[in-house]
Amino acid sequence: EAGVAQSPRYKIIEKRQSVAFWCNPISGHATLYWYQQILGQGPKLLIQFQNNGVVDDSQLPKDRFSAERLKGVDSTLKIQPAKLEDSAVYLCASTLNPAEGYGYTFGSGTRLTVV
Amino acid sequence: QKEVEQDPGPLSVPEGAIVSLNCTYSNSAFQYFMWYRQYSRKGPELLMYTYSSGNKEDGRFTAQVDKSSKYISLFIRDSQPSDSATYLCAMSTTSGTYKYIFGTGTRLKVLA
Repeated sequence: EAGVAQSPRYKIIEKRQSVAFWCNPISGHATLYWYQQILGQGPKLLIQFQNNGVVDDSQLPKDRFSAERLKGVDSTLKIQPAKLEDSAVYLCASTLNPAEGYGYTFGSGTRLTVV
Repeated sequence: QKEVEQDPGPLSVPEGAIVSLNCTYSNSAFQYFMWYRQYSRKGPELLMYTYSSGNKEDGRFTAQVDKSSKYISLFIRDSQPSDSATYLCAMSTTSGTYKYIFGTGTRLKVLA
């Protein structure tokens, strides 16, 4: 089975610029997550989708971050405008059914550097 | 107090050693306990998951959960240089959004 695909792998932008990340989850996985992983820290949930609906976005900085999952498959995460503290790896993950504890499958992430 | 605490390491051990990685937590509602391995510049990959208390073994890896102490462990027997990675614990409840709370990760280096 194909894994979770993310692009781009790396992105360098200047502060106040905008950036977008794309994620294609494993086929059939209804639940999709975006995590932020700052260097030396564990992943922190930004937003959780169930199909194309938002389940949890309580830790998403909504003044600058937005995410969508049209048609319940691919998802994009956008930052506008970016700040220096947004430098991190942005991980996308998906799972068949979070209630059954199968665990998430993560993509390789997009490494964002804001200068 | 963080919900999940994990010693960041780094931990260096010789090849063949037994490695013990640990996490403590504060939320007694956690029921799913996971261990992920993350190689440099890669996403985390699921190693093991355990529901509630007890032990689970998979090859050289053993996961233990002690809910009375709010303490989980991952043991790696006969460690190999290829085990060098960051190990993340994660936990979730069995209700609500089931979101995972991750530890900060422990960096492990196995020396040949």
